[in-house]
Amino acid sequence: DSGVTQTPKHLITATGQRVTLRCSPRSGDLSVYWYQQSLDQGLQFLIQYYNGEERAKGNILERFSAQQFPDLHSELNLSSLELGDSALYFCASSVRGQSYEQYFGPGTRLTVT
Amino acid sequence: QKEVEQDPGPLSVPEGAIVSLNCTYSNSAFQYFMWYRQYSRKGPELLMYTYSSGNKEDGRFTAQVDKSSKYISLFIRDSQPSDSATYLCAMSGYGGATNKLIFGTGTLLAVQP
Repeated sequence: DSGVTQTPKHLITATGQRVTLRCSPRSGDLSVYWYQQSLDQGLQFLIQYYNGEERAKGNILERFSAQQFPDLHSELNLSSLELGDSALYFCASSVRGQSYEQYFGPGTRLTVT
Repeated sequence: QKEVEQDPGPLSVPEGAIVSLNCTYSNSAFQYFMWYRQYSRKGPELLMYTYSSGNKEDGRFTAQVDKSSKYISLFIRDSQPSDSATYLCAMSGYGGATNKLIFGTGTLLAVQP
C-alpha cells in the first residue's frame, strides 16, 4: 500500500457526461500528479500540482481540469466525456516538487459508454 | 521517435532465472531513472530510482544507468513467479520543462514455476 488513496475505484458513465475523480496524497507529500493509462497510449502524464499551485502540464485535454485543495487532496474533472476517455486514471504523490520518487495510488477505472 | 523506448515483450522465463529489462532514451536532459512494477489493473509500484550514471542494488534487483549510451537496465536475480508483472522504466530531468516523468511502454514479464 503506497499510502495514496483514490476514489472511486470504478466509474461507468455515458458520453457527454462529467465526472470527478478524487485523490489523497501520502501524508506529508506536497505534490500530486495525474496520469492516464490506456492500452494504446501507455502511461501519460496529465498535470502536476505542488502545494495548491499548478506546477506542470502534460498531455491534458481542455475538457479536463484539476485542482489541489488546502488540505492537499486533489480532484480531476473530466467533462464532455467521449468513448476514447475510457482508461485508468492514476494519481501519484511526492514529497517535493521534483518528479522522481513518485508513489502511485490504486487508480480509478473509467468506462464511458 | 519516442523519448523512451522499451521492448514490450512479453518475456517468459523459468523460475530462478536472471531477468534483464532495458530501456533506451533520447533526451540527454534526463537525470533521474526509475523502475516501476505494475501488476494487472493495479497502480505502478516504485522499485528503485537512480540519479545519473551508475549502479544501484536492492535485494534481488539491480538498476544500471549508462548515460553515455542513453541506456538503462533492471536485473532481477533468482526470479520468482511473484515477479510476474509489467515493468515500466521512467525518467525525468531536474526542474523546468524536464521535471515530468516520461514512461516507457512497459515490458510484460512472466516467470514460470
